Amino acid sequence: AQTVTQSQPEMSVQEAETVTLSCTYDTSESDYYLFWYKQPPSRQMILVIRQEAYKQQNATENRFSVNFQKAAKSFSLKISDSQLGDAAMYFCDDYGGSQGNLIFGKGTKLSVKP
Amino acid sequence: EAQVTQNPRYLITVTGKKLTVTCSQNMNHEYMSWYRQDPGLGLRQIYYSMNVEVTDKGDVPEGYKVSRKEKRNFPLILESPSPNQTSLYFCASSLVPSSYNEQFFGPGTRLTVL
Repeated sequence: AQTVTQSQPEMSVQEAETVTLSCTYDTSESDYYLFWYKQPPSRQMILVIRQEAYKQQNATENRFSVNFQKAAKSFSLKISDSQLGDAAMYFCDDYGGSQGNLIFGKGTKLSVKP
Repeated sequence: EAQVTQNPRYLITVTGKKLTVTCSQNMNHEYMSWYRQDPGLGLRQIYYSMNVEVTDKGDVPEGYKVSRKEKRNFPLILESPSPNQTSLYFCASSLVPSSYNEQFFGPGTRLTVL
């Protein structure tokens, strides 16, 4: 069965600093996609960044980037120049493609200190 | 405006009283799914639907039913709710299940079963 592991239940970062949230996954699929979603206190789930497994180049979206290591099945999220609005729960998600089901990690709660 | 809507947003009910949480999307998405979110457990998929009349169990389907008679609607039915179904529920949709597309989430439904 597919699993997604976020080993850091909570993280804290100083405003303007950089933080990395970890995610490991376990899939037998040959083609898959990985996503990071953000859930602020409003509870709305928002896509932060996505990575296609066969693309070796790490995805980047403004201050957000990933470190994708396919062999290690690792998909960490790096947030640069952290802002107060980055405080949220962050979920890593693995879509396996052929099965149709999606697996989320348990989430990492990020706090940003002013 | 492209969106996923859920109703009701908040619901308090009693054990055994059948309830339905509606979910509707206006983006002509093929894929729809339901999740429950519990502290420390992250998001767990309940059911998903690849298209009209096609539904499959996710990780935690016990105690829930779904139907997909129209492309835009995917209601979640609790025939006999129990207190362990107290949770935050999200409906989500995406264009097609096996692609690069992100999931669009509804605003969530906070359910309390007494």
